[in-house]
Amino acid sequence: GAVVSQHPSRVICKSGTSVKIECRSLDFQATTMFWYRQFPKQSLMLMATSNEGSKATYEQGVEKDKFLINHASLTLSTLTVTSAHPEDSSFYICSARVEGKGQETQYFGPGTRLLVL
Amino acid sequence: AQTVTQSQPEMSVQEAETVTLSCTYDTSESNYYLFWYKQPPSRQMILVIRQEAYKQQNATENRFSVNFQKAAKSFSLKISDSQLGDTAMYFCAFMASGGSNYKLTFGKGTLLTVNP
Repeated sequence: GAVVSQHPSRVICKSGTSVKIECRSLDFQATTMFWYRQFPKQSLMLMATSNEGSKATYEQGVEKDKFLINHASLTLSTLTVTSAHPEDSSFYICSARVEGKGQETQYFGPGTRLLVL
Repeated sequence: AQTVTQSQPEMSVQEAETVTLSCTYDTSESNYYLFWYKQPPSRQMILVIRQEAYKQQNATENRFSVNFQKAAKSFSLKISDSQLGDTAMYFCAFMASGGSNYKLTFGKGTLLTVNP
């Protein structure tokens, strides 16, 4: 299957700072990537859809000014958690869409564990 | 809006035996895809199997197979010859093709433990 990387895998930061997470599709181009948040022992919660060359589409209840998404190329999407606070601590996962009839699938990155002190 | 229901929060199976995980979904879409993903303790989401709704034939991937019942909106996963490495959280997911931007809707997951 297609490979998606995510960096960093783990980050600890102080309250009030901003943190950037990168999501890359390594062996394919992805016009659409997705960002999820996962709390312990729970399912994935979609935060936003990232479209190359256009603004991200945020799910209801997700603060777009808090979670900035940029999809500047066909292989890279970034999520910036601005002015992070302890309640933003979570596991963030990205996925990249493989398009096409008979191929439609999402492949996931390994996730980023964010801890805000 | 779509919903995905996994009615078994936890299951266990003995190594080498067969286990079936249940999934039902609700949708008014006619064209869609269904997936099973596994999430082991590493938390990496791994695609196990996918099914295209317009295909009547059930998908299979080695020891993994599905029982897709479109009329009943059921999509169960059968794992044969269970291995210790199959221990993971399994998520059933739905994706409508077309206008909904190809978002995945996940069930709450089933925690599968394979015992030696």
